[in-house]
This record gives sequence, C-alpha cells and structure tokens, in this order.
Amino acid sequence: GDSVTQMEGPVTLSEEAFLTINCTYTATGYPSLFWYVQYPGEGLQLLLKATKADDKGSNKGFEATYRKETTSFHLEKGSVQVSDSAVYFCALNSSPSGSRLTFGEGTQLTVNP
Amino acid sequence: EAGVTQSPTHLIKTRGQQATLRCSPISGHTSVYWYQQALGLGLQFLLWYDEGEERNRGNFPPRFSGRQFPNYSSELNVNALELEDSALYLCASSVRTGDNTIYFGEGSWLTVV
Repeated sequence: GDSVTQMEGPVTLSEEAFLTINCTYTATGYPSLFWYVQYPGEGLQLLLKATKADDKGSNKGFEATYRKETTSFHLEKGSVQVSDSAVYFCALNSSPSGSRLTFGEGTQLTVNP
Repeated sequence: EAGVTQSPTHLIKTRGQQATLRCSPISGHTSVYWYQQALGLGLQFLLWYDEGEERNRGNFPPRFSGRQFPNYSSELNVNALELEDSALYLCASSVRTGDNTIYFGEGSWLTVV
C-alpha cells in the first residue's frame, strides 16, 4: 500500500536559517504529492503540490521537487521566519480523482528569533 | 470564494452522549472527507463521501457515522462518546475527477468529559 515517511521532528531553527524537511514515499503508479501546513490551533492548509515527476511546487518561499528516481519530495526554504513555526505534513494521493490522502506523521518546526 | 467551512468550532460533550459535526465543501466540490486528529496520533482517515454515497471508511468503530446531503454538505455523527474521542475533526473536500487536490477546513474541536 501507499506510505509516506517524514523526517522526524521536532526541528528548531533560528530565524533566517535554511530549512529542509525530508519526505520519501512508496506508492503504486504515479501519485500527486503535497505539503500541508498546520499552524497552532488551526486546520490544514495546502502549502504546495506537484503532480508529475520533476515538477517543482512552490509557495510563500517554500519549494519541493517531485523526484521519482529517489521517491522523494523534500520541503525547502532558504530563510525561515518565526511565522513559519508550524507542523508540516507530507502527503500523497495515488488516485486520479479525489480519493484519500496518505499522510506522513508530520514535522514540528519551531523558528526562534 | 469560500473554503471548506465547519461547525461548530468547539464542542464539549459528556461521555455517552452523541456529537454532530457539520461541513460545507468548497462550491463545485462533490467529495467530502473526514479525518480525526487526536493528540499525538497524527491524521487518521475516517470517511469519504461522494455524490451522497459512502465511498470509503477508515478503521473506526460503527459509532462513527455520517452522511452527505444533496447539496454535498456533510454531517459526522459520533455516538456513545468516549473520552478518547476528544480530538480535532477535520473536514475536507475535492472535485470528483480531474484534480486530486484535497482542501481542508479549520476543524471542529470535540472535547469529551
């Protein structure tokens, strides 16, 4: 079955540091890949997505590239801010229609000023 | 355009009672999903409805049930509440075909005392 493995947290960084959160997956076919973010006390927000190999998703300074050869979708940001403190979830959907997402366990990020 | 909306935001119930949570999907979306996020347990898939039918169900007991109305809104019912049902319940929606991106609401916090 489908599965997503995320880098274990928590991750603590200083403001303006470089961020990488690793995500690898196992799936049948060609899944779409997603990063969702959950700020404290809130629901999940779609951060970025990629639907085919070598696609790069980007939003709010975050980027992730769909690497089929390494089955990875690592999240990166060049300079984090205190406001980026949140839990980040990697997810995949291997169905062409809605169906259900398979989530990683989430990575808690704390950015200190 | 309005996103996925959920009500109530917070709900406190006594053990053994019933809870009803409501969700309105994004306009044009016909699929609705329910997830449970209990403290420290990540995101657990509960139910998927599309076109008024239950399409898939996660590993939860039958006292978790729901339905989808003709306007595609949805209700989640939890009967015979137990303390461990205390969690954030997230509703999400997507279109039926063509785009498998799933969008989440802000969630409903259920506390069982």
